[in-house]
Amino acid sequence: GENVEQHPSTLSVQEGDSAVIKCTYSDSASNYFPWYKQELGKRPQLIIDIRSNVGEKKDQRIAVTLNKTAKHFSLHITETQPEDSAVYFCAASQIGGDTGTASKLTFGTGTRLQVTL
Amino acid sequence: DSGVTQTPKHLITATGQRVTLRCSPRSGDLSVYWYQQSLDQGLQFLIHYYNGEERAKGNILERFSAQQFPDLHSELNLSSLELGDSALYFCASSVDPYTGELFFGEGSRLTVL
Repeated sequence: GENVEQHPSTLSVQEGDSAVIKCTYSDSASNYFPWYKQELGKRPQLIIDIRSNVGEKKDQRIAVTLNKTAKHFSLHITETQPEDSAVYFCAASQIGGDTGTASKLTFGTGTRLQVTL
Repeated sequence: DSGVTQTPKHLITATGQRVTLRCSPRSGDLSVYWYQQSLDQGLQFLIHYYNGEERAKGNILERFSAQQFPDLHSELNLSSLELGDSALYFCASSVDPYTGELFFGEGSRLTVL
């Protein structure tokens, strides 16, 4: 099955700096890559996703890049703010199939981002 | 508010006991997923139901079982509880299994003493 590795496990940046979180996946058939943000004591929430037919997607201060050849994808947060402090999870799955995309969603182990003032 | 409701929010019980966690998906969502999140760990997929039928199983122990009822709410039953079962259990829903985004509930925190 799919295996998703995520690095780093913890990341501390100063407010205003950029943060980059990297993930690698093992299954070349994976074609959907979402990122979830989980604030302390809260539920995970989707912040951005990318499908394998594009290499980059941006939404305000957040961007995700995908390198299918190398089987890795990254989350980029620019101009970080204290409210960006949270745990970020990458995930990978294959759209379609008998059980559907979400059933096969494999999460990385998470990155705890701390934005300091 | 994601629209997914989980009860109870907190539960403390003893080893060997049995508990039931309940999840009501967003209105219109047919798929329900259960995830386990242990302390400082990632999200481990347990099981997926779609419109009352089991669609996929992940790393779910035999002591655990789940079902989805005709009104689409779901229950996760945990029996013969062990200390290691202490975790945050999330339910998530989506319109169908092929929709990318999962909407998570607030979770049920289980503590086994």
